[in-house]
Amino acid sequence: AQTVTQSQPEMSVQEAETVTLSCTYDTSESDYYLFWYKQPPSRQMILVIRQEAYKQQNATENRFSVNFQKAAKSFSLKISDSQLGDAAMYFCAYSPYNAGNNRKLIWGLGTSLAVNP
Amino acid sequence: EAQVTQNPRYLITVTGKKLTVTCSQNMNHEYMSWYRQDPGLGLRQIYYSMNVEVTDKGDVPEGYKVSRKEKRNFPLILESPSPNQTSLYFCASSNRGSGANVLTFGAGSRLTVL
Repeated sequence: AQTVTQSQPEMSVQEAETVTLSCTYDTSESDYYLFWYKQPPSRQMILVIRQEAYKQQNATENRFSVNFQKAAKSFSLKISDSQLGDAAMYFCAYSPYNAGNNRKLIWGLGTSLAVNP
Repeated sequence: EAQVTQNPRYLITVTGKKLTVTCSQNMNHEYMSWYRQDPGLGLRQIYYSMNVEVTDKGDVPEGYKVSRKEKRNFPLILESPSPNQTSLYFCASSNRGSGANVLTFGAGSRLTVL
């Protein structure tokens, strides 16, 4: 069974600094997708970034980028120039490429990120 | 605005009193799903639906029912709520062709069962 592990329950960063959140996963599949979702205090689940496993190039979305290491089954999120609005719970999630009828995501337990002014 | 709308956002009820959490999406998505989020357990899928009149169980379906009579709506029904169903509930939807299983989530419904 696929699993997603986020080993850092809490992290903090100074405003304008860079922080990296860790995620590892376990799967026997060769094709899959990985995601980072952000959940601010409003509780809304917001997609931050996604990565297709067949792509070697790391995904980037503005200040957010990932370090995808397929062989190591590692998928870390780097937030550059951290802003106060980045404070949230961050979830790593996995989905198989051929999900069939169910597009279920497998979720990590989250990392709570605090941004200090 | 493309969105998934859940109601109510907050609800306190008592054990055994039937309730329905509504979910509606305006993106013409085929796929819809319900998750519950609990501390220490993360997000777990309750039910999903691939299209109208097609629903199936997720990982934690006990105590819940769903229906998909219209493409845009996917209500979650708790016939006889119990305190262990106190949780934060999310509805999500996705287009068949969107690829990457990208889900759009509703804002969440905080349910407390006394």
